[in-house]
Amino acid sequence: GQQVMQIPQYQHVQEGEDFTTYCNSSTTLSNIQWYKQRPGGHPVFLIQLVKSGEVKKQKRLTFQFGEAKKNSSLHITATQTTDVGTYFCAGRATDSWGKLQFGAGTQVVVTP
Amino acid sequence: GAGVSQSPRYKVAKRGQDVALRCDPISGHVSLFWYQQALGQGPEFLTYFQNEAQLDKSGLPSDRFFAERPEGSVSTLKIQRTQQEDSAVYLCASSLARDTYTGELFFGEGSRLTVL
Repeated sequence: GQQVMQIPQYQHVQEGEDFTTYCNSSTTLSNIQWYKQRPGGHPVFLIQLVKSGEVKKQKRLTFQFGEAKKNSSLHITATQTTDVGTYFCAGRATDSWGKLQFGAGTQVVVTP
Repeated sequence: GAGVSQSPRYKVAKRGQDVALRCDPISGHVSLFWYQQALGQGPEFLTYFQNEAQLDKSGLPSDRFFAERPEGSVSTLKIQRTQQEDSAVYLCASSLARDTYTGELFFGEGSRLTVL
């Protein structure tokens, strides 16, 4: 079945530095979504990517969908303490459109 | 309502007890999802409804788990004869889009189940 994997599992970042988290699927995805979960909170939607090779930006966050629609990345520039949390990618396979599968997440810790 | 509402927020059950978790989605949202999230893990898909129809229940871990949404609004996730491995946060999410390809999910705060 479809599996969504994220690396790294943990990311310790100095405030002001950049980092990237990666998401890989074992199957081709119809679309991919990214969510952020703060400690003790629930996942909150960030963005959705649908087209092959699509790139979207939200202020300091850049999201990319791979050409083969099997991988995605999230790049954060000039990390701030407000970026603390766990970032999840979630994808829908082309043959199971109702099931949004989440990765295990990248937990981000920011050191001032 | 303003957001997805789940109750109870916290539930402690003795092993073997039955529990029922309630989800009240955002008004007008067609799609409703249940996820299970263990500590330090990502949400694991359990089941999905479009209105009152349960279109995918492939993620339910055993026949002890049952979900319903009889009138296409409020949903209940029932777990029979709870086991310790059922301890987790159960997240409910709803989506406005009928076509789930394009729907962002709005999550509730979750129901934390602890089985002793």
